[in-house]
Amino acid sequence: EAGVAQSPRYKIIEKRQSVAFWCNPISGHATLYWYQQILGQGPKLLIQFQNNGVVDDSQLPKDRFSAERLKGVDSTLKIQPAKLEDSAVYLCASSLYLGTGRQETQYFGPGTRLLVL
Amino acid sequence: AQRVTQPEKLLSVFKGAPVELKCNYSYSGSPELFWYVQYSRQRLQLLLRHISRESIKGFTADLNKGETSFHLKKPFAQEEDSAMYYCALSPSILTGGGNKLTFGTGTQLKVEL
Repeated sequence: EAGVAQSPRYKIIEKRQSVAFWCNPISGHATLYWYQQILGQGPKLLIQFQNNGVVDDSQLPKDRFSAERLKGVDSTLKIQPAKLEDSAVYLCASSLYLGTGRQETQYFGPGTRLLVL
Repeated sequence: AQRVTQPEKLLSVFKGAPVELKCNYSYSGSPELFWYVQYSRQRLQLLLRHISRESIKGFTADLNKGETSFHLKKPFAQEEDSAMYYCALSPSILTGGGNKLTFGTGTQLKVEL
């Protein structure tokens, strides 16, 4: 089965510019996650979608970050304007929803490496 | 608040030696614990989860609620075990955890010949 797809794989921008990342989850996976992984740290959950609804965005810096999953499949994560501290790998993951709050294993994409200069 | 601590950034062992990657957690409840692994140039992937009580690639991990630990062990390290290992925690499914993962900072395991 095809895995989680992400693009672009690498992005270099200057501070104050905007950037967008795209994620295509595994077919049939209702739940989609975006993580931020700063160098030397573990992944940190930014936002979790169930179909096209937001389940958890408590750690998303909403003044500059936004995410959407309009049709419940693909998702985009946007940063506007970017800051130096946003340099990180942005990981997308998806999982199969089993009902009653239960999720199957999360499968991760290859990530997008962002460098803000 | 939930927290996962992996005290070692780097662990270097010789091939055939036992391996123990440490993980301690802080959570007020009954969490689910996981180990994820990332091999060089590959994606982050699940290695094992405590509720499965499986041995994957020779690795095992036992949840010790008294010591709030979930250490990963393997009796004999192999060269192909060299990778970055992350311990992660999720609130229990029974309390509507929703699979929200909190990761530790990771331990780089290097198996030397």
